[in-house]
Amino acid sequence: SQKIEQNSEALNIQEGKTATLTCNYTNYSPAYLQWYRQDPGRGPVFLLLIRENEKEKRKERLKVTFDTTLKQSLFHITASQPADSATYLCALDEDSNYQLIWGAGTKLIIKP
Amino acid sequence: DAGVIQSPRHEVTEMGQEVTLRCKLISGHNSLFWYRQTMMRGLELLIYFNNNVPIDDSGMPEDRFSAKMPNASFSTLKIQPSEPRDSAVYFCASSSDRNAKNIQYFGAGTRLSVL
Repeated sequence: SQKIEQNSEALNIQEGKTATLTCNYTNYSPAYLQWYRQDPGRGPVFLLLIRENEKEKRKERLKVTFDTTLKQSLFHITASQPADSATYLCALDEDSNYQLIWGAGTKLIIKP
Repeated sequence: DAGVIQSPRHEVTEMGQEVTLRCKLISGHNSLFWYRQTMMRGLELLIYFNNNVPIDDSGMPEDRFSAKMPNASFSTLKIQPSEPRDSAVYFCASSSDRNAKNIQYFGAGTRLSVL
């Protein structure tokens, strides 16, 4: 069966450390993988996109890796800050023109 | 740009009542998605429109749900009659075909409570 999995438990990280979130999938062949941030009471906000032929993508303190052999994407936040606390969702795009397949999200808590 | 605008932000209604949720797309976007989010099931796609035409409504739970796009910038999602199990946060999102990477822009959502 097709599955996309993110850590269901909240991730607690000390301020200043690197936070690493995982997105694993089975039985999909994504052309793209996207990461979104969702704050309480708000809709998801796009952060980064990585293509299947890219190994790594960076944006300021954010880094995403994509390993199509392992069927896994890692999302890193370096020098984490309390303001980074939110739920982070990954979404797969099989290049179907419209539909994204969403993970359930991982709640990240950065402690001062 | 104002972004995707949804109304109302909160809706509390009684079982059996009709509920209408509204969404204004980002100007120039031509794809519209309605999602439902719950703790148990996460984000579920209900229906997708492209150029005002419903392309995929396979996620609509049942006939009590209907969605329309009367023009290129506006959509409604109607639930009639509403039931307690419809309680959730409903999001709409828009994107542009010119954005080949299918990046979606979400509204702030409507939190629906059916008593």
